[in-house]
Amino acid sequence: KQEVTQIPAALSVPEGENLVLNCSFTDSAIYNLQWFRQDPGKGLTSLLLIQSSQREQTSGRLNASLDKSSGRSTLYIAASQPGDSATYLCAVRRRTSYDKVIFGPGTSLSVIP
Amino acid sequence: GAVVSQHPSRVICKSGTSVKIECRSLDFQATTMFWYRQFPKKSLMLMATSNEGSKATYEQGVEKDKFLINHASLTLSTLTVTSAHPEDSSFYICSARDQTGGGGYTFGSGTRLTVV
Repeated sequence: KQEVTQIPAALSVPEGENLVLNCSFTDSAIYNLQWFRQDPGKGLTSLLLIQSSQREQTSGRLNASLDKSSGRSTLYIAASQPGDSATYLCAVRRRTSYDKVIFGPGTSLSVIP
Repeated sequence: GAVVSQHPSRVICKSGTSVKIECRSLDFQATTMFWYRQFPKKSLMLMATSNEGSKATYEQGVEKDKFLINHASLTLSTLTVTSAHPEDSSFYICSARDQTGGGGYTFGSGTRLTVV
């Protein structure tokens, strides 16, 4: 059974700091991994999608890496801004025809001006 | 990019009544959609997988008769919370996969259900 964990559960940093969010999964047989952002009371916004054959993806100040063999992914946020404050969720799609996606519990990020 | 529209965004209903939530893929066809429930400050819990033209697949512990799912077309799935009770109050989110988008998932904006 695939389980996804995220560390830390909550993080508070001063503006401008670079930071790393961690995601771990127990079953390395995945199809892809996706990072999402969720603002309070809102839906999910996709940030980065990494296919199982890829090692990283970049979008602006965000960089996500994937190490399937160790069951880990990291989301790197450069030069953090108050607008980055949100909950960040990683989600793993299983390599089966069932297409199920398993979410981690999320990391709540607060960037202090 | 792919857009999923979810309606309504907020609904308040009385105990015992039923509420329908719609999830539409606006610019792509989705043979499969997913319904999630999220409790306050918790992650998303998959409730069921909605398959176009066939019965939904429910996760363990989710009551099929309570949460009715219909996927009548390639762009629309509905979740009906029947005989709602206060404990059904939650944030419900749907998602769909855009086949042309690398297998990533797009989410609706969610529905905040409050049962009074």
